[in-house]
Amino acid sequence: DADVTQTPRNRITKTGKRIMLECSQTKGHDRMYWYRQDPGLGLRLIYYSFDVKDINKGEISDGYSVSRQAQAKFSLSLESAIPNQTALYFCATSDVPGQGQDNYGYTFGSGTRLTVV
Amino acid sequence: AQSVTQLGSHVSVSEGALVLLRCNYSSSVPPYLFWYVQYPNQGLQLLLKYTTGATLVKGINGFEAEFKKSETSFHLTKPSAHMSDAAEYFCAVSEGLTGGGNKLTFGTGTQLKVEL
Repeated sequence: DADVTQTPRNRITKTGKRIMLECSQTKGHDRMYWYRQDPGLGLRLIYYSFDVKDINKGEISDGYSVSRQAQAKFSLSLESAIPNQTALYFCATSDVPGQGQDNYGYTFGSGTRLTVV
Repeated sequence: AQSVTQLGSHVSVSEGALVLLRCNYSSSVPPYLFWYVQYPNQGLQLLLKYTTGATLVKGINGFEAEFKKSETSFHLTKPSAHMSDAAEYFCAVSEGLTGGGNKLTFGTGTQLKVEL
């Protein structure tokens, strides 16, 4: 099984519908992130969570909400989807950096391709 | 606050030629720096990273990058391009240990084309 699993892999939804993207991880990391990727814009941070009780907005949080149900689960919701939310969405996890922690890094899921029509 | 600038959204090289993808960063604390590659219709794959120690970092597929603090740069190079290197490359920065770690901030990406 993948370390970070995103579901669904692909989704087409209609304008105005509520949709939830789910992310689960087996890394045991406290920190989780949601990014969206658009052509020419790179990956932009939507929300991030440093532990179950800590949720923070990223640079493009408008129109999105999140829920950290457990250390291993971090869901992204679009309350009322609109066409400009069509994008590739990535979930990621990371550990906390520590002295001499050569294996520090971020683990990404395979992405969810969302199309809003 | 942190940011990343990747110069050149599209780079084209001949097979066998040097690959140079430029990345400059801004960070208020010593950074951690990353290069990721994304092949068409795939997710992100880590090429290499700098956290501490040696400033010349070697990664997978023959790529390497050098952290130059004075120039705030982390350019990616490969001596000889291969057709299979055609992909999109992302540079990213996060706060390092002294900053307590932080979210990863990406550049806008560079599409590498390799021509025969």
